[in-house]
Amino acid sequence: NAGVMQNPRHLVRRRGQEARLRCSPMKGHSHVYWYRQLPEEGLKFMVYLQKENIIDESGMPKERFSAEFPKEGPSILRIQQVVRGDSAAYFCASSPEASAGFTTYEQYFGPGTRLTVT
Amino acid sequence: RKEVEQDPGPFNVPEGATVAFNCTYSNSASQSFFWYRQDCRKEPKLLMSVYSSGNEDGRFTAQLNRASQYISLLIRDSKLSDSATYLCVVRGATNKLIFGTGTLLAVQP
Repeated sequence: NAGVMQNPRHLVRRRGQEARLRCSPMKGHSHVYWYRQLPEEGLKFMVYLQKENIIDESGMPKERFSAEFPKEGPSILRIQQVVRGDSAAYFCASSPEASAGFTTYEQYFGPGTRLTVT
Repeated sequence: RKEVEQDPGPFNVPEGATVAFNCTYSNSASQSFFWYRQDCRKEPKLLMSVYSSGNEDGRFTAQLNRASQYISLLIRDSKLSDSATYLCVVRGATNKLIFGTGTLLAVQP
């Protein structure tokens, strides 16, 4: 029973390049969340997606960042023209559909992608 | 004011000790609460959900006080393997998780 999978685990980019981070949710999960953890800081929500829909992107920086979760394939977090301040651990989490009348569903995290911008 | 606040620690305790962490949250409408554990440079792992009536899982007990808007985690008989950062988490609108900055626990032999 594979957990949440993320790749690559480590990514090095030069300033100005693009970074693509991929996340495959747990089997049976259709909700995906992206979080960012800056060095020495707590995790911060970025975006919440269901298949082909962005539900909440209130935590996404206004520029350079985008996310998608297509009908087929993994969720992708894309960062264009990376800057040194984008260096962080990016974690993806997934959760199942809520059962009828049950509103609390737990999120399970992948191992993260550590992005280093040089 | 931060949405979720925790004492960053570190808490240095000997093996076998009992240790308690507290956390406060600002949104009185919050409904779901969790404790996660994060080992150095690893992903957060769900330790336990926190229910209104309080709940226990082995050596771990979680309590929720809605009137005072705080959550606690008690660890009994600490093990070396309990050393980690403990994250207090509140579920916000649209299911996003709001994390505290974490409390560092170091269990000493």
